Amino acid sequence: GNSVTQMEGPVTLSEEAFLTINCTYTATGYPSLFWYVQYPGEGLQLLLKATKADDKGSNKGFEATYRKETTSFHLEKGSVQVSDSAVYFCALSSSGGSYIPTFGRGTSLIVHP
Amino acid sequence: EAQVTQNPRYLITVTGKKLTVTCSQNMNHEYMSWYRQDPGLGLRQIYYSMNVEVTDKGDVPEGYKVSRKEKRNFPLILESPSPNQTSLYFCASTGRTSGTVYEQYFGPGTRLTVT
Repeated sequence: GNSVTQMEGPVTLSEEAFLTINCTYTATGYPSLFWYVQYPGEGLQLLLKATKADDKGSNKGFEATYRKETTSFHLEKGSVQVSDSAVYFCALSSSGGSYIPTFGRGTSLIVHP
Repeated sequence: EAQVTQNPRYLITVTGKKLTVTCSQNMNHEYMSWYRQDPGLGLRQIYYSMNVEVTDKGDVPEGYKVSRKEKRNFPLILESPSPNQTSLYFCASTGRTSGTVYEQYFGPGTRLTVT
């Protein structure tokens, strides 16, 4: 079956630091990969996605590259801001899971001024 | 505006008192699902539905029921709530954006406390 593993948090950074949140997956079929963000007190929002190998998803300064050879989809940002403090979820969907996404456990990011 | 709505947003109830959390989407999506979110456990799927009258168990279905009588609505029913069902609940709707790419849209969440 499908599964997603992401690094445990919390990740604590100072403003303007470089961010990496690791995500690896196992899946049947050819999955699409997603990062969702959950700001405090809110639901999940799609942050970025990639639908095939070597695709790079990007949004709001965040990037992630679909690496089929390493089954990874690590989230990166060159310079984080306090407003990026949130919980980040890696997810995948594939025909093997009827396209209902499978989520990782989430990684909390805390950015200090 | 494309959206998923849930009601109520907050609910405090007592053990054993039946409750329903409603979920509605306006995107004509076939797939809908319910999740609960607990500290340290991330999102866990409770039930999902692939179409009207088609539902299936997710990872943690015990103590919950769902129904899908109309495409837009997917209520979550707790027949006899217990304190271990205290959690943050999200409804989601999944639709195809292109080819075989599906995206999920989430409701704002319902925070349930069972005393």
